[in-house]
Amino acid sequence: GAGVSQSPSNKVTEKGKDVELRCDPISGHTALYWYRQSLGQGLEFLIYFQGNSAPDKSGLPSDRFSAERTGGSVSTLTIQRTQQEDSAVYLCASSRDSSGNTIYFGEGSWLTVV
Amino acid sequence: EDKVVQSPLSLVVHEGDTVTLNCSYEVTNFRSLLWYKQEKKAPTFLFMLTSSGIEKKSGRLSSILDKKELFSILNITATQTGDSAVYLCALNAGKSTFGDGTTLTVKP
Repeated sequence: GAGVSQSPSNKVTEKGKDVELRCDPISGHTALYWYRQSLGQGLEFLIYFQGNSAPDKSGLPSDRFSAERTGGSVSTLTIQRTQQEDSAVYLCASSRDSSGNTIYFGEGSWLTVV
Repeated sequence: EDKVVQSPLSLVVHEGDTVTLNCSYEVTNFRSLLWYKQEKKAPTFLFMLTSSGIEKKSGRLSSILDKKELFSILNITATQTGDSAVYLCALNAGKSTFGDGTTLTVKP
C-alpha cells in the first residue's frame, strides 16, 4: 500500500479481555517496528522485526504482550488480559531496512481499556 | 487530515556546524508537538512543545514552536558525529502523526 496501515484506529475493550492490533507495512519494507505512546508521554519501543531475523522483543513490557509477523509483511500485536495501564496509542512503523532509512509511521491504534 | 512535513529530508554537515531542522504541520486539534532522535530502532524523546514562542533547551539542542505559522524548528549547535541520526517530528492531536524525518549525517 501507499503507507503504513493500522487497524483498528480506535478500540475500547474491557479489562481482562485480549486485543489484537494489526499493522500492514509499506510494500517491500523489511523492517517493522511497534511502539507505544501513552498520553503526554514519549515513544516507547516495544518490538522490532528485520527480515527473517529473530525479532528484538526487548521492549515488550510483560509476557501479556506478543507480536508476530507473517510472511515478512503484516504484523499483529496481541495484548492478553488487558489492564488499564495498557491504554495508549500503539504505533507501527516500517522502513526499507534497518540501516537508517526513513521510518514511516502508521496513524496508530488508540486503545482504551475500561 | 492532519499533516506533518519535515525538511530537509537529509542533511550532511561537518563537526562543529550548526543545523536547523524544520517541521511544519496542519492540524485540527493540536495538543503538542514532539521531537525525537532515532538512531537505530528506539527513538529517543527530545522535546515536547505545547506553547508558542517558548524555547526548550537541552545542552546543544533547542527547539521552539510557532503556533501562528504552524511550524517548529530544532537547532543543534556545535554538531558532533554522535548527533548523526534521523530526527522525527510528531504531532499529538488525539492521534499521533509523524513526519518522515530528517536524516542528519555529521562527518568528522
